[in-house]
Formats: sequence, structure tokens, C-alpha cells
Amino acid sequence: AQSVSQHNHHVILSEAASLELGCNYSYGGTVNLFWYVQYPGQHLQLLLKYFSGDPLVKGIKGFEAEFIKSKFSFNLRKPSVQWSDTAEYFCAVGSGNTPLVFGKGTRPSVIA
Amino acid sequence: SQTIHQWPATLVQPVGSPLSLECTVEGTSNPNLYWYRQAAGRGLQLLFYSVGIGQISSEVPQNLSASRPQDRQFILSSKKLLLSDSGFYLCAWAGTTHNEQFFGPGTRLTVL
Repeated sequence: AQSVSQHNHHVILSEAASLELGCNYSYGGTVNLFWYVQYPGQHLQLLLKYFSGDPLVKGIKGFEAEFIKSKFSFNLRKPSVQWSDTAEYFCAVGSGNTPLVFGKGTRPSVIA
Repeated sequence: SQTIHQWPATLVQPVGSPLSLECTVEGTSNPNLYWYRQAAGRGLQLLFYSVGIGQISSEVPQNLSASRPQDRQFILSSKKLLLSDSGFYLCAWAGTTHNEQFFGPGTRLTVL
């Protein structure tokens, strides 16, 4: 069965610092990879996704993620965070038409 | 464009009472539908999913059940609520391509 591991449930950062959230998954076949974000009081929404092609994908709000197949990883990055990036971030993995498997989430708090 | 609705937004119920949460999708046909429960620090737990009317797959045996009486309607039910059923319930839909999921606003259930 697939599983997704996100490191560091809570992270505290200063504004303008760089952000990297780790995501590792366990599945040997072809995968589809997603990062979702949940801002306080809002819907869970898609940040970015990877299906195939260029392993470096860019999403909304300056986020990007890199798929490294050999490491079974799909880490999320942002060069310079803002206070408004305080949210909960979920990594998810799917294969074929099976339901996505989500990680437990990481909640970076950005302070001024 | 597609939209997904959930109601009620919040619900407070006594232990032992029944439950019915409703989810409807507009703007698409024959979607895959999902019910998740979100708990702090535990991510999204898939409860049920459906690939068509009357077709329900249960991921976690528990005090809940799901039904899909119409193509774009997904209902989460319980005959007798337990304290442990408290939580945030999310409905999601996906098309047939890569299972990218789109989430509803959620229902906050408190069982007293």
C-alpha cells in the first residue's frame, strides 16, 4: 500500500526566509504527486501537481516542487515566504485511478 | 465551472443521535466522490469513495456509512453517533484524469 511521510509537522520561519517542506512516499510504480494547501478558514486547494515530464513543477503563489524519483521525494519549496503563507500543507500521492493518499500535513508559521 | 457544496457547515449533535451530511457537485458528470475526516496532526483519513451511483468503497471500518443516491450526491451517515465521531469532514470529487481531487468547504461536527 502507498504511504506518504511529511517531516516536521510544525515549522517556524521568519518572513523572507526560504521554505522547504519534505515529502517522501512509498510506492514503486508510476505516481501522480500533489501538494495541497489549507489557509485558515478556507477550502483545501491545489498548490501544484506532477504527472510526468519536467520534474521541477511550479505552482501558485511562487511555490515549486521537485520530483526526485530515486529518492521517492516531492519536496515543496518557496524562496522567500510571507506571513500570508502561514497555512497547513499536505502532500498527496496517487496511482492510476486509486484515491489519493495524503500525508499528515506540515504547518509552517511565518513570523514578522 | 465545477463547484462542490457541503452542508451543514457546522453541526452539534448528542451522543447516540443519527447523522446525515450531504455533499453535492455541480458542473461535472460521473465524478469520483470521496469522504475524508481531517484531524489535527493526523492529516486526511479517507473514509469512503464512490466511482458511481450505488457504488461505495469503505476504507476504514467504523460507525459511519456512505451512500450515493444520485450521480452528483454523496451522503455520509451514522445511526448512532459516538464522541469519537467528532471532527472535520471533507467531501471531494475527481474526474477520470489522474485523480486530481477538488475539495468542499467541510463540515465541523461536534458530538457531545
